[in-house]
Amino acid sequence: QVHLQESGPGLVKPSETLSLTCTFSGDSINYYYWSWIRQPPGMGLEWIGYVHHSGSTTYNPSLKSRVTISLETSKSQFSLQLTSVTAADTAVYYCSRERYCGGYCRHFDYWGQGALVTVSS
Amino acid sequence: DIQMTQSPSSLSASVGDRVTITCRASQSISSYLNWYQQKPGKAPKVLIYAASTLQSGVPSRFSGSGSGTDFTLTISSLQPEDFATYFCQQTHLTPRTFGQGTRLEIK
Repeated sequence: QVHLQESGPGLVKPSETLSLTCTFSGDSINYYYWSWIRQPPGMGLEWIGYVHHSGSTTYNPSLKSRVTISLETSKSQFSLQLTSVTAADTAVYYCSRERYCGGYCRHFDYWGQGALVTVSS
Repeated sequence: DIQMTQSPSSLSASVGDRVTITCRASQSISSYLNWYQQKPGKAPKVLIYAASTLQSGVPSRFSGSGSGTDFTLTISSLQPEDFATYFCQQTHLTPRTFGQGTRLEIK
């Protein structure tokens, strides 16, 4: 069974860097895109970006200047760094796997439980 | 970016009701449309992908239809465990975008 788990600090100071790690198990890293998505309290879902198993990345243009997503295959982990955070970055951060299965099949089939990150001094 | 607009934003219904939620894309996304269910404090869970394919393990009372810009999620007979928030999502292009959500409440 595929399992993803986010880890990292739950509190980050304004202007500092938010860092989270997602550890996955139960399947190969290959053939998938590995995403970060966030959800401010009581609000909707925002896709941050993804890393392909090859290491290539694509980011949401709204966050691109502040985001880095990287993959550490040997540890079955991928990570998120978001720089220069403000209170607007307070959210539950989810990691997820995007499955491509041919035709129109592209969807997020497994998600971590989510990690609440609060930006506050 | 492709904008996804859901309606209604909230909905009150009773157990046994038939419910339909709609999602409209700002441009054609073919059938690259997914539906997720989210319960409080939990991660979203995929219900339908490729507009109309039921995810394994999801009850058959859930169904999806549409292509191009207009899509629907239908729950044929609401069960108590279906009261949740539902999101549509397009995976035609990046950035991946979601609808704002439809909160389904008990009447």
